[in-house]
Amino acid sequence: ETGVTQSPTHLIKTRGQQVTLRCSSQSGHNTVSWYQQALGQGPQFIFQYYREEENGRGNFPPRFSGLQFPNYSSELNVNALELDDSALYLCASSTGGANQETQYFGPGTRLLVL
Amino acid sequence: GQQLNQSPQSMFIQEGEDVSMNCTSSSIFNTWLWYKQDPGEGPVLLIALYKAGELTSNGRLTAQFGITRKDSFLNISASIPSDVGIYFCAVRNSGNTPLVFGKGTRLSVIA
Repeated sequence: ETGVTQSPTHLIKTRGQQVTLRCSSQSGHNTVSWYQQALGQGPQFIFQYYREEENGRGNFPPRFSGLQFPNYSSELNVNALELDDSALYLCASSTGGANQETQYFGPGTRLLVL
Repeated sequence: GQQLNQSPQSMFIQEGEDVSMNCTSSSIFNTWLWYKQDPGEGPVLLIALYKAGELTSNGRLTAQFGITRKDSFLNISASIPSDVGIYFCAVRNSGNTPLVFGKGTRLSVIA
């Protein structure tokens, strides 16, 4: 139990649709990172938010966007869904600073795009 | 881009056996991490390594940060059924850079 929750747990969408995934960080954590984990792969970094500002981004197109709120909860939005967007989406919260490797992951949202 | 190679991809072992898996990179990294992911869950940090040559234990788990800073291994002694899962290595160079994960080693334990 990491104290990080994500919703929904599962989601089915069709190509071209838009989706919003939500993450509630562990209490006191001001940094949230989002990862995409395709089947049989390790998590891939999408972007990170620190105090409501994006402060790092992986190799993902602009149709992947995010928000972090004053209570440090976070959203991942994906527009114009493609079949390859089917994956487990993980968020991880941390306290920021030099030791961000102590990231606490949520259970993920499994997205299926048909 | 940066790539981590984990081996083996999967392994089946008898309960009570020791396990060894490793992770290599073509680039140098200053921090090596080992995570475990159970079905339906996110990865959980097992061991963090910050210094080349460092050997760190966490219960039955032992991990070492290679002296070249391009590899690491994870050993599990006396495996038990709850060790089943996917083990990922991850690396970073500084506290503000994102984690890069390997593809994982899937461990199955036969009782």
